[in-house]
Amino acid sequence: DAEITQSPRHKITETGRQVTLACHQTWNHNNMFWYRQDLGHGLRLIHYSYGVQDTNKGEVSDGYSVSRSNTEDLPLTLESAASSQTSVYFCASSKAAGPNSPLHFGNGTRLTVT
Amino acid sequence: AQKITQTQPGMFVQEKEAVTLDCTYDTSDPSYGLFWYKQPSSGEMIFLIYQGSYDQQNATEGRYSLNFQKARKSANLVISASQLGDSAMYFCAMREGLTGGFKTIFGAGTRLFVKA
Repeated sequence: DAEITQSPRHKITETGRQVTLACHQTWNHNNMFWYRQDLGHGLRLIHYSYGVQDTNKGEVSDGYSVSRSNTEDLPLTLESAASSQTSVYFCASSKAAGPNSPLHFGNGTRLTVT
Repeated sequence: AQKITQTQPGMFVQEKEAVTLDCTYDTSDPSYGLFWYKQPSSGEMIFLIYQGSYDQQNATEGRYSLNFQKARKSANLVISASQLGDSAMYFCAMREGLTGGFKTIFGAGTRLFVKA
């Protein structure tokens, strides 16, 4: 079965370190998204991509970057981790870019910045 | 500006009864989709139901139905015959069309507790 795999599932890092969260999907979807989940805020969009070499900023993109070199992967990099970036991170993909296409989610990465 | 509003942080329902989770949205895009997702305590996000902005009839998926009132910009989720396994966090989401860059935005969520 097709799926989205996020790694690691849990990560503890120190303030100021660079951290990369991996996201790999086997759906062959062009559209991929990164969200962070915080209590009281639901899920907020960090970055998204509609195809190889395409990346776009979401509503909370400061301090994060992504790159899309192939269809399957969209790694999320925290350039210099801050305590405010402690959160649960979800990667998602969708079959189409249109408004009728639901998101398929990975199982999330819980990141703690100390 | 917040575009998806879920006003119920927590809800309780008796097992086997129906429950409605509220969701209002705001968009100027004529083409959009409304979604509900379930997040159990295990943490994964599960897609439940979809309603398109041009759909004339309310969407249904098994025990889930979406009460779509376009003029009021509301998209409430109705769960019939609640089960203990329905206890979870529920998120309303909207995916806009071209005007919104086809992004999906989420509400803050409603935590549902089903009582035996």
